[in-house]
Order: sequence, then structure tokens, then C-alpha cells
Amino acid sequence: AQKVTQAQTEISVVEKEDVTLDCVYETRDTTYYLFWYKQPPSGELVFLIRRNSFDEQNEISGRYSWNFQKSTSSFNFTITASQVVDSAVYFCALQGGKLIFGQGTELSVKP
Amino acid sequence: NAGVTQTPKFRILKIGQSMTLQCTQDMNHNYMYWYRQDPGMGLKLIYYSVGAGITDKGEVPNGYNVSRSTTEDFPLRLELAAPSQTSVYFCASSYRAGGNANYGYTFGSGTRLTVV
Repeated sequence: AQKVTQAQTEISVVEKEDVTLDCVYETRDTTYYLFWYKQPPSGELVFLIRRNSFDEQNEISGRYSWNFQKSTSSFNFTITASQVVDSAVYFCALQGGKLIFGQGTELSVKP
Repeated sequence: NAGVTQTPKFRILKIGQSMTLQCTQDMNHNYMYWYRQDPGMGLKLIYYSVGAGITDKGEVPNGYNVSRSTTEDFPLRLELAAPSQTSVYFCASSYRAGGNANYGYTFGSGTRLTVV
């Protein structure tokens, strides 16, 4: 069975703080993909990153970075120097056979 | 390039009514999916399809039906609407090659359904 756990339901930070969103997954597949999506208040789903199970290199894109560790089945997402526009719900997702989502973490960045 | 198009964007149904949520993609993706998102929750998979003529249940299929007669279209049918089906529905598509290789997902903008 597949499962994605985002233990942090809500996080509130002040602008310019760094924040890490946790994601832990379970799967028996040897080949799988991990995703992060952003859902702003407008409701659409915005793709942020896709990582396959064979690539454990960390990735940085501007203020965003991702840390993938197969040994702990985690795929954490860090926003550096957060901004008010980062306020949104962030979803981690796992695709082995099917794409399933975690419950989401609502991030609120206050000015 | 339209991507994934969902119609309608909003709908209010009365208990017991039926309706079909439409989903069309123009990217020649083989996989299509329907998800529902309840307030404050993540997305739950209702049904998915790996190609025309093939559909399978997801995590929460009860109360829904789907069909996939063409590559482009994947309609979701609610036969007897219930208040528990009040949700936002997202359709998505992806291209997957053999060996589970995945080339990313495209989501529609969602349909907000209220059953009263």
C-alpha cells in the first residue's frame, strides 16, 4: 500500500524566515516518483517538482530546495527567506502505480 | 494548447439529482484521473484510466462512475447526488511509458460541486 504523510497541518512564519515542510512516504514499489504541488487561495494546483526514486540528489530552485532521503523515506521541502506570496497549501504526492497525495500543509507567511 | 479542461466550474445539485462532470485533454496523454478535495483536506483518487476503454477504482469510488471511450475524454458521473459529495473535483492527465516512467501531471482548474 502507498501512503503519504504530511504531519504538519499548519505552519505560520514571519516573512524572511526559513521554513521546512515535511513529507514521509510509504511504498513497496522500487520505481516511484515524488512530487510537490502548491495550491494558492485561488485553488489551482501548481506543479513545483518531480523526483524519481533513483535520483537522490538534492535540488535547489531559487528560494526552494528539496531534500530526498530514501533511507528515511522522506522528501522535505524548504523555502528560504519566505515571502507573503508563499502562503498556500503545499501537497506532497507519491506515484507508484497511482498518484496519491498527502493531507497538505497550510503555510501562512505574515509580513 | 488547452491542457486539461473541466466543465462546469461550479454547480449546485439537489439531493438525488444526477450530473456528469466533463474532462477533456488535448495532450494525447494515456492516463487520466479524477480526484476530489474536501475542505482542508488533500486530494483523494476517485477513479483513473490507463487508456481508452480501461478504468479502475481509486481510493473513494463509491457513488461515482466513469467511462473512457476516447483518449481525450474522461467524464465522471454522479448518479444520486448526496451531501457527502460536496467537494472540489479535479481531473488530471499524464503520459506514462512502459516501466512506470512518468512525464508529469497536468491538472484541470477544478469543479466546485455543492449538493443541497
